[in-house]
Amino acid sequence: DAGVIQSPRHEVTEMGQEVTLRCKPISGHDYLFWYRQTMMRGLELLIYFNNNVPIDDSGMPEDRFSAKMPNASFSTLKIQPSEPRDSAVYFCASSFQRSEAFFGQGTRLTVV
Amino acid sequence: AQTVTQSQPEMSVQEAETVTLSCTYDTSENNYYLFWYKQPPSRQMILVIRQEAYKQQNATENRFSVNFQKAAKSFSLKISDSQLGDTAMYFCAFPDSGGSNYKLTFGKGTLLTVNP
Repeated sequence: DAGVIQSPRHEVTEMGQEVTLRCKPISGHDYLFWYRQTMMRGLELLIYFNNNVPIDDSGMPEDRFSAKMPNASFSTLKIQPSEPRDSAVYFCASSFQRSEAFFGQGTRLTVV
Repeated sequence: AQTVTQSQPEMSVQEAETVTLSCTYDTSENNYYLFWYKQPPSRQMILVIRQEAYKQQNATENRFSVNFQKAAKSFSLKISDSQLGDTAMYFCAFPDSGGSNYKLTFGKGTLLTVNP
């Protein structure tokens, strides 16, 4: 398996623009997580899915953030409109039955 | 809420020596996993080792081992024969699995530098 695949690796956008981050989890995994990493706040869990259903989105900072998982092999995290304080590295991770999570390479988002 | 605490923001060690990174956590659960992840400058999050709470034997993976003390809620990582490639941020992680919930919560991390 190729592991968790995220795209794009880097994204630079202007404030106010919509940003969409994409994730393909490992085949057969039933949990999918979206994390945000910053120097100030470390690794924060934004939202996670179980069998494509959102279970807990309490970490989503604002209504500007939304996430979907239309099927078992694809998820998106959207920010609309983006703001400079959204600049961070966003990770997607997947796991099988509450075991260890495997991470993608992350998307470095810069909002200018 | 579950918490994970790493009290050492930074550590350094000489190549070939042994270093121990500490982690404490808080939970009311009885059966759970604990994990150590490594994040090198490439920023890839890599699983180093995992411990199952119901197992008394400490987990070992080559040069990496843990000292798991369930009663004390302590989960330290020992790296033996440190190598330059071990330089990275190390995160302790704990799944908050209360009820139907399953949140993998990370500590703030320890930046380990291995010096030649």
